[in-house]
Amino acid sequence: AAGVIQSPRHLIKEKRETATLKCYPIPRHDTVYWYQQGPGQDPQFLISFYEKMQSDKGSIPDRFSAQQFSDYHSELNMSSLELGDSALYFCASSLGLAGNEQFFGPGTRLTVL
Amino acid sequence: AQKITQTQPGMFVQEKEAVTLDCTYDTSDPSYGLFWYKQPSSGEMIFLIYQGSYDQQNATEGRYSLNFQKARKSANLVISASQLGDSAMYFCAMRAHNGGSNYKLTFGKGTLLTVNP
Repeated sequence: AAGVIQSPRHLIKEKRETATLKCYPIPRHDTVYWYQQGPGQDPQFLISFYEKMQSDKGSIPDRFSAQQFSDYHSELNMSSLELGDSALYFCASSLGLAGNEQFFGPGTRLTVL
Repeated sequence: AQKITQTQPGMFVQEKEAVTLDCTYDTSDPSYGLFWYKQPSSGEMIFLIYQGSYDQQNATEGRYSLNFQKARKSANLVISASQLGDSAMYFCAMRAHNGGSNYKLTFGKGTLLTVNP
């Protein structure tokens, strides 16, 4: 079965650079969530989209922005990267906002040097 | 606000035995969902099982079952016949509507399960 696809899987950036993370949800899933998991931490919610509109916002820094496109894929844009942004970034998708199953992608491991 | 508590930072179990991972939650929302995820050392987050707050029966998925005790606000994961490949971090998570469009997952701190041969 098709799963959530994230690219790139690994990314190394310097401080103050920008990064773009991409997420392709499971086919027919219309809701996308972004989570950030720091080393040894639990995932923290960043932002979500339903039908291409932002549905909720968590502890996402102002330096980050995201959007969902007409084909339902989503991109997380990160600017002025800081060392503390080094983390595993997950995208998850579901069918509808209250989907009983929220499937996660493999994650993008971002390292900021 | 929602809160998930996993009181066992680490658990050990012998291969082929059953193990229970504890999870308690707190929410004022009458409608919520409870999830368990497995995160192996490779990092991916694998969905295991889901329980809705209005579900009458405890959820089961193969060797995984969820012991849902609504009055006690607990949603413990039971893994039967443990296998070496079950060694991983396990996260309990909750989705609550919270009166708005707030469908995000709130995670516990996780329990690191080690299965011994």
